Amino acid sequence: GESVGLHLPTLSVQEGDNSIINCAYSNSASDYFIWYKQESGKGPQFIIDIRSNMDKRQGQRVTVLLNKTVKHLSLQIAATQPGDSAVYFCAEYTGGGNKLTFGTGTQLKVEL
Amino acid sequence: DTAVSQTPKYLVTQMGNDKSIKCEQNLGHDTMYWYKQDSKKFLKIMFSYNNKELIINETVPNRFSPKSPDKAHLNLHINSLELGDSAVYFCASSRLASETQYFGPGTRLLVL
Repeated sequence: GESVGLHLPTLSVQEGDNSIINCAYSNSASDYFIWYKQESGKGPQFIIDIRSNMDKRQGQRVTVLLNKTVKHLSLQIAATQPGDSAVYFCAEYTGGGNKLTFGTGTQLKVEL
Repeated sequence: DTAVSQTPKYLVTQMGNDKSIKCEQNLGHDTMYWYKQDSKKFLKIMFSYNNKELIINETVPNRFSPKSPDKAHLNLHINSLELGDSAVYFCASSRLASETQYFGPGTRLLVL
């Protein structure tokens, strides 16, 4: 069946280091992927997205990589800051493109 | 300026009661959603409305009834609340049904 999952439930990094959060998906027909950041007590916040006709997209300090061959998605955060501490979700449009399916989330902890 | 707003932010109630959560978006989006986030942070779609019409209705007990009076509002009414309904409920909206979704701050429901 369809699934969007994350390899690591918790990731601890030192401030200033780069962070990489991974996500696996199983629906090869999915063509739109989104990364969200959820801080404690808040709603998910859009970070960056990528469509299946691309393999890389960059934002401010964030890069999303898409490997369709192995159905893998990653979010890279450069020079991780304490404010990056949050739960990160990858999400995939499934069900004919109307339903956004979320992965289980990765808790990113930034150590000073 | 709040793009997607929800009321109330917190809701504590007794089992068996009926309660409503309201959502409003000022983004001019056509599509609105309700999600449930459980204690393990798992986010699952419940309903989606496009221009006041129901387009997604996941396997949700019929005690949950969404209502969209206009395309800027999507309310969620819950009858006969149960302990298992305790969760955070998020409203979201997107310009079109397959585009980036923007989330509200959430309503924390606790059923005692």
